[in-house]
Amino acid sequence: AQTVTQSQPEMSVQEAETVTLSCTYDTSESDYYLFWYKQPPSRQMILVIRQEAYKQQNATENRFSVNFQKAAKSFSLKISDSQLGDAAMYFCAYRSAGDMRFGAGTRLTVKP
Amino acid sequence: NAGVTQTPKFQVLKTGQSMTLQCAQDMNHEYMSWYRQDPGMGLRLIHYSVGAGITDQGEVPNGYNVSRSTTEDFPLRLLSAAPSQTSVYFCAAGGLPRDEKLFFGSGTQLSVL
Repeated sequence: AQTVTQSQPEMSVQEAETVTLSCTYDTSESDYYLFWYKQPPSRQMILVIRQEAYKQQNATENRFSVNFQKAAKSFSLKISDSQLGDAAMYFCAYRSAGDMRFGAGTRLTVKP
Repeated sequence: NAGVTQTPKFQVLKTGQSMTLQCAQDMNHEYMSWYRQDPGMGLRLIHYSVGAGITDQGEVPNGYNVSRSTTEDFPLRLLSAAPSQTSVYFCAAGGLPRDEKLFFGSGTQLSVL
């Protein structure tokens, strides 16, 4: 079965600095997609960034970028120029066909 | 534009009671799914549907039933609630293929006493 592992339950970053959140996954599929979702205290799930497994180029969305290492099954999220509004739970997710799996999450704190 | 609407937002049940969590979307998406979120465990897929009349089990389907009679609605039924089903439940809708963004509802906090 597919699994997603986030090994950092909590991370902290100073405002304007850069932080990297780690994610690894396990799958026997060759065609899948990876996502990072943000969940603020409001409980809303917000898509941050997504990556197609067949694309070697790492996805980028403004201050958010990923380091996708397919052979290592690693999918880390880098947040540059961190802002107070980035504080939230971050979930790594894997999707193949109808199945979607989430990691346990990383709580990110941003210090002013 | 409502997106994905979940009702109710909060619910308290007694063990053995039944209830239905409602989920409706107005975006005409084929894919709909239900998740539960427990502390420290992230979201886990309960059931999903890739179109009207088609449903399939996810990671934690036991104790839950679903049906998809229309594109818009995807209700989740608890036939006999148990304390282990205390959780926050999310419904999501999205397009196919699988890289499409999922739109999540605002969640239902369910407590089973």
